[in-house]
Amino acid sequence: NAGVTQTPKFQVLKTGQSMTLQCAQDMNHEYMSWYRQDPGMGLRLIHYSVGAGITDQGEVPNGYNVSRSTTEDFPLRLLSAAPSQTSVYFCASSPYSGNTIYFGEGSWLTVV
Amino acid sequence: AQSVTQLDSQVPVFEEAPVELRCNYSSSVSVYLFWYVQYPNQGLQLLLKYLSGSTLVESINGFEAEFNKSQTSFHLRKPSVHISDTAEYFCAVSAGNQFYFGTGTSLTVIP
Repeated sequence: NAGVTQTPKFQVLKTGQSMTLQCAQDMNHEYMSWYRQDPGMGLRLIHYSVGAGITDQGEVPNGYNVSRSTTEDFPLRLLSAAPSQTSVYFCASSPYSGNTIYFGEGSWLTVV
Repeated sequence: AQSVTQLDSQVPVFEEAPVELRCNYSSSVSVYLFWYVQYPNQGLQLLLKYLSGSTLVESINGFEAEFNKSQTSFHLRKPSVHISDTAEYFCAVSAGNQFYFGTGTSLTVIP
């Protein structure tokens, strides 16, 4: 019963490095999204996708790229990591936009 | 754009006492409303949701929330809390293709 799977769970990066956070779901959901969670700020939407080949920006997209080549996968790329990107990242999916979203377990990222 | 306001960042309450976590939203369009719960070092889990129909919705573990359209509120209540209810609670609004989350309320149940 996998649901939404994120890897890695923990990562430390140096400023300027790039990396990809992986996200996969096995529920055949059309809608997928990435959030970051910071103390006192709740969850903020980074990017989302309403289906394979379609992505759009959320509230805080700068410094991040996404792609959606398959229904199952929605990786998040940090192009040049900055300390301001230290956060907990959550991937989520939903059968369609507007419906209940299901979260992964989170990825803790520290940029030093 | 929508906004979600959770009026209390921290709520301490004694075990077996009632609790209310407040949530207000701003929207000029029809929305769906959700409460999610987050236990330490875990992802968010759906607690309950309002999509349509009865304005009072309940969860399997004794929480309930009432959709009040005139006051644009969706407050979460439980008549008697347990230690295991200690967690972070997030109110969320779905409008169009996006979800909007409040900043969260940390509920601490005191033995």
